[in-house]
Amino acid sequence: DVVMTQSPLSLPVTLGQPASISCRSSQSLVDSDGNTFLNWFQQRPGQSPRRLIYLVSNRDSGVPDRFRGSGSGTDFTLRISRVEAEDVAVYYCMQGTHWPLTFGPGTKVHIK
Amino acid sequence: QVQLVESGGGVVQPGRSLRVSCAASGFTFSSYSMHWVRQAPGKGLEWVAVISYDGSNKYYADSVKGRFTTSRDNSKNTLYLQMNSLRVEDTAVYYCALGGRNWEVPAFDYWGQGTLVTVSS
Repeated sequence: DVVMTQSPLSLPVTLGQPASISCRSSQSLVDSDGNTFLNWFQQRPGQSPRRLIYLVSNRDSGVPDRFRGSGSGTDFTLRISRVEAEDVAVYYCMQGTHWPLTFGPGTKVHIK
Repeated sequence: QVQLVESGGGVVQPGRSLRVSCAASGFTFSSYSMHWVRQAPGKGLEWVAVISYDGSNKYYADSVKGRFTTSRDNSKNTLYLQMNSLRVEDTAVYYCALGGRNWEVPAFDYWGQGTLVTVSS
């Protein structure tokens, strides 16, 4: 199985400041058609997960443009340009290239 | 708008069975694959199973293979997860999530609110 690792696992942030979460996979997520199925999800306390980013860097409808996904191969990053209070959540990366699908352990973003 | 509503969770003894459901609305259910994902209390997300739009293809995580079965009734716009030989470690919130038209292309752009399954004696 593809192992997804995230760092840090806990991220204290200052409102208005940037934040960055790293996600690495144990093997390349590029499939035979050249697609990279790497998603980012946000799970606020008490809520269901919500997809923020798909195919590495595509923002879902309604997702603020302060969220940006990037990366390639085995190394990916989710950046928040200026953290707002509503961004307090656990963020998960997930790979969809190899079966079984696997999630990262999650990164808890909280206010300092 | 897309809605996914899970139901059927509850408390069940180890070794027993339970079936949870996911009622879909707001989209053409019969055209999309569907996934189950679970989350143990205070833990991360674990993918459980996928079923193709017509039910002809299914794939399971090793942790549930041989014990869990997913199915769907497209006439009722409903997805099911039959869970047999339940273990304490199956205790989790079970979410259904929308897949792609092709079951091999994951989407996860819509999720239900989840239903809690507690396995305890």
